[in-house]
Amino acid sequence: GAVVSQHPSWVICKSGTSVKIECRSLDFQATTMFWYRQFPKQSLMLMATSNEGSKATYEQGVEKDKFLINHASLTLSTLTVTSAHPEDSSFYICSAEYMGQNEKLFFGSGTQLSVL
Amino acid sequence: SQQGEEDPQALSIQEGENATMNCSYKTSINNLQWYRQNSGRGLVHLILIRSNEREKHSGRLRVTLDTSKKSSSLLITASRAADTASYFCATDAGFTGTASKLTFGTGTRLQVTL
Repeated sequence: GAVVSQHPSWVICKSGTSVKIECRSLDFQATTMFWYRQFPKQSLMLMATSNEGSKATYEQGVEKDKFLINHASLTLSTLTVTSAHPEDSSFYICSAEYMGQNEKLFFGSGTQLSVL
Repeated sequence: SQQGEEDPQALSIQEGENATMNCSYKTSINNLQWYRQNSGRGLVHLILIRSNEREKHSGRLRVTLDTSKKSSSLLITASRAADTASYFCATDAGFTGTASKLTFGTGTRLQVTL
């Protein structure tokens, strides 16, 4: 089956620093990947849709300059949280569409970000 | 606001019992999907039911869909401790054949005790 790898699993950083999270499709090409944010015991909130070779589409209320998304290849999308603040602490999850099984998503294992 | 509202928010049962969780949504959909999330992990796809289907089975899972009531239910039969997780419904109102912008429900946290 399709495997999506997300790295790192957890990261602790100081306020004001930037953090990059990687999402890789290991055995398939993903033209579209999605980034979500999840607070404890809550649902997933879609942040942005990442399209290979083009700019990401951000959901309303998500600051594109704060959450930089790059989808430079068919197997890699990155989310960079710039100038992180404690309120950015959250669980971030990526997912990818798998051609041939377009209607369902394959998820990375998530990244727990803690900003001190 | 969430497209999908699930109830109950939390459910605690004993191993061997059945677990039923419900999902309601607001807009027309192409399909509805159920995902499972273990604590601190990503989501795993369980089952997909299309808008023209009423019931679907996969192993110990049974999903129903009532488009007139805009609701779905997930039944896990003969539950096991390993079924302990959060379960999310997700609706797809986009173009058929793509997973564009799945909208996730609020989730049900299932606890199965020995």
